[in-house]
Amino acid sequence: KNQVEQSPQSLIILEGKNCTLQCNYTVSPFSNLRWYKQDTGRGPVSLTIMTFSENTKSNGRYTATLDADTKQSSLHITASQLSDSASYICVVSAAYRGANNLFFGTGTRLTVIP
Amino acid sequence: GAGVSQSPSNKVTEKGKDVELRCDPISGHTALYWYRQRLGQGLEFLIYFQGNSAPDKSGLPSDRFSAERTGESVSTLTIQRTQQEDSAVYLCASSRTLLTQYFGPGTRLTVL
Repeated sequence: KNQVEQSPQSLIILEGKNCTLQCNYTVSPFSNLRWYKQDTGRGPVSLTIMTFSENTKSNGRYTATLDADTKQSSLHITASQLSDSASYICVVSAAYRGANNLFFGTGTRLTVIP
Repeated sequence: GAGVSQSPSNKVTEKGKDVELRCDPISGHTALYWYRQRLGQGLEFLIYFQGNSAPDKSGLPSDRFSAERTGESVSTLTIQRTQQEDSAVYLCASSRTLLTQYFGPGTRLTVL
């Protein structure tokens, strides 16, 4: 069964600290993995996308890693800011056609406090 | 506009009523997706439009749900005889390629 699991479910950190969010998946065959940021009351916004051959990708203070062998990804946030408070969603695409080839995690709710 | 827009942003309706949700995709995006997001849960795929191809309706939870798209522009998601379990945020996304989807802000539907 194709699944995406994220941990932790929620996280509270102090402003300026770093944190790492985890995503484990069982989606097969694998095509790509994306991390989205979803602010409260807004739609998700893409942060990074990685294909099978990529094991790290950065977008400013966000760095995503991918281990396709162990089917794990992480999103590392450096020097957190209050505006990083949001839900972070991991999405894995299966390598077959059709829109129902996207599998969504339930997200990690990050709260950055001053 | 520059992004995907959805209307209304909030909709409160009584159980049994029909509702229509609208999505305006980014101009030039041939693909359009509808998702449902229940409180505290992940996104749930509903339906996908790609150009003039027949839509992928495999995610629609029941025959009370339907969606239409006019060419490569506006889409409407219709829920007939709404039930309380239909309460959720309905998100629309569009894309030009298979890689990156751009999401709208969503419509928060509350069925009383």
